[in-house]
Amino acid sequence: TQLLEQSPQFLSIQEGENLTVYCNSSSVFSSLQWYRQEPGEGPVLLVTVVTGGEVKKLKRLTFQFGDARKDSSLHITAAQPGDTGLYLCAGAFHGQNFVFGPGTRLSVLP
Amino acid sequence: SAVISQKPSRDICQRGTSLTIQCQVDSQVTMMFWYRQQPGQSLTLIATANQGSEATYESGFVIDKFPISRPNLTFSTLTVSNMSPEDSSIYLCSVERQRNTEAFFGQGTRLTVV
Repeated sequence: TQLLEQSPQFLSIQEGENLTVYCNSSSVFSSLQWYRQEPGEGPVLLVTVVTGGEVKKLKRLTFQFGDARKDSSLHITAAQPGDTGLYLCAGAFHGQNFVFGPGTRLSVLP
Repeated sequence: SAVISQKPSRDICQRGTSLTIQCQVDSQVTMMFWYRQQPGQSLTLIATANQGSEATYESGFVIDKFPISRPNLTFSTLTVSNMSPEDSSIYLCSVERQRNTEAFFGQGTRLTVV
């Protein structure tokens, strides 16, 4: 069974601060996705990374995929209250269903 | 994209009873899944709902407890049988158009068993 770890588990910051959350596994991902889930809703895809070393930017969010494809990070610049939610990474391993990490619960205070 | 409608959105049920959750997709999809998300925790895959055949269950989940139907490519149901308080959770339906591509989720069913 593939396991994903995410850190930190909880994060509470002030509006305007920067933050980084991490996702890692002992196994190599064939691809990795980041989702955000708001209360009462299902997760929504933010990004998919496939290539080792890949960096993708989505407005104030920057996603990195480790060279060895075993880890990823999500960096948020100038966080806003609207960024509050549960951030989940999901790893795909060849031929298997997605495995979701335990999540990072982010709270951005105004 | 895919738009997924789940019903009910929430329910409070007595222990020992069963609840059937419905998942309707706005277009045909091959891959449909059911997840459980316990309070404050991540998603755990219950099973893959297969059209025209029995669902494929993950370790720790069995058909007698979580029977699943998938009569066509746009609809599925998950039944939580003989419920106990430990079954209190959010149940989510998900679809993928191709394996390991974007997963689309319903808004979830929040189940409380008393």
